[in-house]
Amino acid sequence: EPEVTQTPSHQVTQMGQEVILRCVPISNHLYFYWYRQILGQKVEFLVSFYNNEISEKSEIFDDQFSVERPDGSNFTLKIRSTKLEDSAMYFCASSIQLVLSGNTIYFGEGSWLTVV
Amino acid sequence: KQEVTQIPAALSVPEGENLVLNCSFTDSAIYNLQWFRQDPGKGLTSLLLIQSSQREQTSGRLNASLDKSSGRSTLYIAASQPGDSATYLCAVIGGATNKLIFGTGTLLAVQP
Repeated sequence: EPEVTQTPSHQVTQMGQEVILRCVPISNHLYFYWYRQILGQKVEFLVSFYNNEISEKSEIFDDQFSVERPDGSNFTLKIRSTKLEDSAMYFCASSIQLVLSGNTIYFGEGSWLTVV
Repeated sequence: KQEVTQIPAALSVPEGENLVLNCSFTDSAIYNLQWFRQDPGKGLTSLLLIQSSQREQTSGRLNASLDKSSGRSTLYIAASQPGDSATYLCAVIGGATNKLIFGTGTLLAVQP
């Protein structure tokens, strides 16, 4: 079965450092997402991406965050200057069409980011 | 602002028991509601999706119902097995947005 793959599975970084989390969405999917889950808290939406641009973002997704689809397969999340509160599990996801239209969203296994 | 709540936060049952997980949401203007399973340290797996016009969906031993007007959904698991042990999350989409709003989850432990 096709799956969303994420790397790295775990990263430890110093506060203030830049981090790039990588994702390979399912190949024929058109919509890509990043969600995050701080330990013990709800899964939260960060951003959605379609047709090479951000289609929606949350208040969390400030100027410190950016997303990119550098080639035909990868989808990345960059955090420019990490803070302690960025420590979380970051999930990449993709869907073939809009989830609000009833299409299944597929999540990767997550990248656990620890900022020290 | 949409809020999603799940009760109970944790549940432990003996193998073979039927069980019900609850999800409530504050804004009934949703497009659909989804139930996910999350295993420890793993991603989320979509279990069932109920469109706003539907009342229930079934997949194997799982049955999800939706009462949009009262802002509630239930996930019924029949004949529970130890392999069902996981965290179950519900999430809604509404308000002309494509983002899922998640509940806090129910941690289920099925004892052999």
